[in-house]
Amino acid sequence: DVKVTQSSRYLVKRTGEKVFLECVQDMDHENMFWYRQDPGLGLRLIYFSYDVKMKEKGDIPEGYSVSREKKERFSLILESASTNQTSMYLCASSLNSLDGYTFGSGTRLTVV
Amino acid sequence: DQQVKQNSPSLSVQEGRISILNCDYTNSMFDYFLWYKKYPAEGPTFLISISSIKDKNEDGRFTVFLNKSAKHLSLHIVPSQPGDSAVYFCAASDVQGGSEKLVFGKGTKLTVNP
Repeated sequence: DVKVTQSSRYLVKRTGEKVFLECVQDMDHENMFWYRQDPGLGLRLIYFSYDVKMKEKGDIPEGYSVSREKKERFSLILESASTNQTSMYLCASSLNSLDGYTFGSGTRLTVV
Repeated sequence: DQQVKQNSPSLSVQEGRISILNCDYTNSMFDYFLWYKKYPAEGPTFLISISSIKDKNEDGRFTVFLNKSAKHLSLHIVPSQPGDSAVYFCAASDVQGGSEKLVFGKGTKLTVNP
């Protein structure tokens, strides 16, 4: 089974801090994604990557950046955390969308 | 503009009855659709999918119906069980410029009462 591991389940950070959310997958998938989930707003795509060192903006990239130096690892970076970035962050990977995505368990980030 | 819409934020059904979750989409170029199920504090898990060349796909208690002309799909769960209580997301495959990603609806919270 494909496994997508997010390094932290819960995280509390202060406003203005630089925050790194890490995601690792173990099935050699080309594509990796970062979503955030908020009540009433569903899953919104922040950034995605279809290859090492490649990245594409999703629907809500503002305030975020990403890094994909190795195929198995996709990092989400909050350059200067703000309270409106308090959310559940979900990482996913896939070979292609026809196979569906495999999601990690999520990181609940609270910015105070 | 929301391309995948789940207009019912919540649905409550009795155990043993049918649950019907609905999803509408606006982009006629979408040709592959998926349903995901999410429990609290867990990531979404893939449930069932359907290609636009079909109008029905069945997997055990779960059936997805696709009406391309109406740009509408639905997920039927029969019979519903308390363990089905979760948030269900509808998603469509969006291929643009050689890259492929899923567009999700806002989700419907299903509660199955014993």
